[in-house]
Amino acid sequence: QKEVEQDPGPLSVPEGAIVSLNCTYSNSAFQYFMWYRQYSRKGPELLMYTYSSGNKEDGRFTAQVDKSSKYISLFIRDSQPSDSATYLCAMSGQGAQKLVFGQGTRLTINP
Amino acid sequence: DTGVSQDPRHKITKRGQNVTFRCDPISEHNRLYWYRQTLGQGPEFLTYFQNEAQLEKSRLLSDRFSAERPKGSFSTLEIQRTEQGDSAMYLCASSYRTTNNEQFFGPGTRLTVL
Repeated sequence: QKEVEQDPGPLSVPEGAIVSLNCTYSNSAFQYFMWYRQYSRKGPELLMYTYSSGNKEDGRFTAQVDKSSKYISLFIRDSQPSDSATYLCAMSGQGAQKLVFGQGTRLTINP
Repeated sequence: DTGVSQDPRHKITKRGQNVTFRCDPISEHNRLYWYRQTLGQGPEFLTYFQNEAQLEKSRLLSDRFSAERPKGSFSTLEIQRTEQGDSAMYLCASSYRTTNNEQFFGPGTRLTVL
């Protein structure tokens, strides 16, 4: 079993829809949670960073962490075709340096 | 904005050849990481440096792989006697010690071993 599970999709939604992306994890030591966006053949771009449980909002993006359920989410409001990419969740433990990534969810926003 | 840069962006080589990749981190970042990403998968950790010290290596980093960061600035990743299974995107990331592991990635080097 992988430490971080993420549905690879693909996920296809119409422009303007609210998108929900999720990851589950098994390691209770994880404290730092990140979402990256990766366009085809490019490096991952850091979108959101959250420490421990709670919500964080940045523009159209909201990240949620529920440590009791070992479940994290990324919501995208008013989705745009330019949001079409692969979204990767990543996490690490206190004092640990390596990020453990999910498989990535491939998202397409249709105009 | 001088983000993380990697060179080359693409490398095609024949099985058995040696290859070397370079990573230049964001200038004030003292931590540097290497990851490998295969098609349809998330990046997997290979190794990391704090300044010039290599502090952690994954078991994925076989003895054919070696990484250096000689002056605590740029880093190189060398693969000796390449195999077809080494074909992947090699990603470099950097972070600043006090930002609790927010890692910023470069564009990657795509390696194809024929």
